[in-house]
Amino acid sequence: KAGVTQTPRYLIKTRGQQVTLSCSPISGHRSVSWYQQTPGQGLQFLFEYFSETQRNKGNFPGRFSGRQFSNSRSEMNVSTLELGDSALYLCASSLMTGNEAFFGQGTRLTVV
Amino acid sequence: QKEVEQDPGPLSVPEGAIVSLNCTYSNSAFQYFMWYRQYSRKGPELLMYTYSSGNKEDGRFTAQVDKSSKYISLFIRDSQPSDSATYLCAMSSHNAGGTSYGKLTFGQGTILTVHP
Repeated sequence: KAGVTQTPRYLIKTRGQQVTLSCSPISGHRSVSWYQQTPGQGLQFLFEYFSETQRNKGNFPGRFSGRQFSNSRSEMNVSTLELGDSALYLCASSLMTGNEAFFGQGTRLTVV
Repeated sequence: QKEVEQDPGPLSVPEGAIVSLNCTYSNSAFQYFMWYRQYSRKGPELLMYTYSSGNKEDGRFTAQVDKSSKYISLFIRDSQPSDSATYLCAMSSHNAGGTSYGKLTFGQGTILTVHP
């Protein structure tokens, strides 16, 4: 069974630009969560979607947003990029609750 | 104080050793506990998932949860060089309002090296 797929794997953007990252969950999984991973802060929760609804949100500014489609695929968007947004962005899928989550390989975003 | 504390190591052991990795937590609402392994430049891989106190075994891995002490452990028996990675503990709660959905709280990760 296919795992969680994230695209693209690598991105380089300039400060002030915006970026959209994509995540395809494991087939049958309806919960999709997003995390930011940095060396200093570790893995931090961004938000979680289930049945196209955001059920939970972490402590990130409004520049970070997301959505989920009817086929459970999800996207996250970061507007007005800052240097500090450089990180590995990870998507995780689970059946229902967000527990027992399976992660994708991540998108490494570099902001210059 | 962080909700989840994990010794970052690094931890270096010889091949065949038993490895013990640990996390402590302060939030008594945490009910679900996971261990992930992350290789360099890869996403975390789920190793163990449990939601009760006690032990759970899967091959060379044993997860142990002690809710009364707010302490979880992962034991790796007969460690191999391929086990060299960062190990992350993660936890979640599930309250009636559902506001904890999808949110895993992670430790900082322990870097493990198993040398031949």
